Amino acid sequence: DTGVSQNPRHKITKRGQNVTFRCDPISEHNRLYWYRQTLGQGPEFLTYFQNEAQLEKSRLLSDRFSAERPKGSFSTLEIQRTEQGDSAMYLCASSFKEASVGEQYFGPGTRLTVT
Amino acid sequence: DAKTTQPTSMDCAEGRAANLPCNHSTISGNEYVYWYRQIHSQGPQYIIHGLKNNETNEMASLIITEDRKSSTLILPHATLRDTAVYYCIVRAPGTSYDKVIFGPGTSLSVIP
Repeated sequence: DTGVSQNPRHKITKRGQNVTFRCDPISEHNRLYWYRQTLGQGPEFLTYFQNEAQLEKSRLLSDRFSAERPKGSFSTLEIQRTEQGDSAMYLCASSFKEASVGEQYFGPGTRLTVT
Repeated sequence: DAKTTQPTSMDCAEGRAANLPCNHSTISGNEYVYWYRQIHSQGPQYIIHGLKNNETNEMASLIITEDRKSSTLILPHATLRDTAVYYCIVRAPGTSYDKVIFGPGTSLSVIP
């Protein structure tokens, strides 16, 4: 399977702990996106990379969230000092660099539960 | 930036066409309409997109009204595997992804 992969698929953590998620995009895609999705809602954009450069961050992204894509391939999303409100599905997507329009290919997500 | 509104839920009989509407009355001239779907416990899946003309691919057809204020996604012969939440979004090339709003989508149930 050459789709977008995410690890872990599920994470349970206690409030105040740090967590890190990994995303491996489709290999030839140079754009990588992170979204958050809460129950009953659509995905909310968090940030995206073009190669290793982080080009946009959502105003929703608090200082406790940081994302990296050091070699322009896989990416990590870290949440520091987790809060119960961080409980959500964290989705990663990838795409080709946008020429005129583009479509994003999503991974299966990492479900985070903060207790 | 244009927002979209969709019915909360719809039912469709297996084998019949499923027609999912989307209202985007404030769409700008350079904004495309995209459709994604999300099957339970999976990430969203791209279906189709269009600007003005109707589009068709192996998954679905997209019908956009002449004034572009609404569109309809058509699944010609719905199967049980098409049960999912369907999202309609609009976006212009080069604009901020922060302004793309998925919304709660339409939950389509295909009934045997």
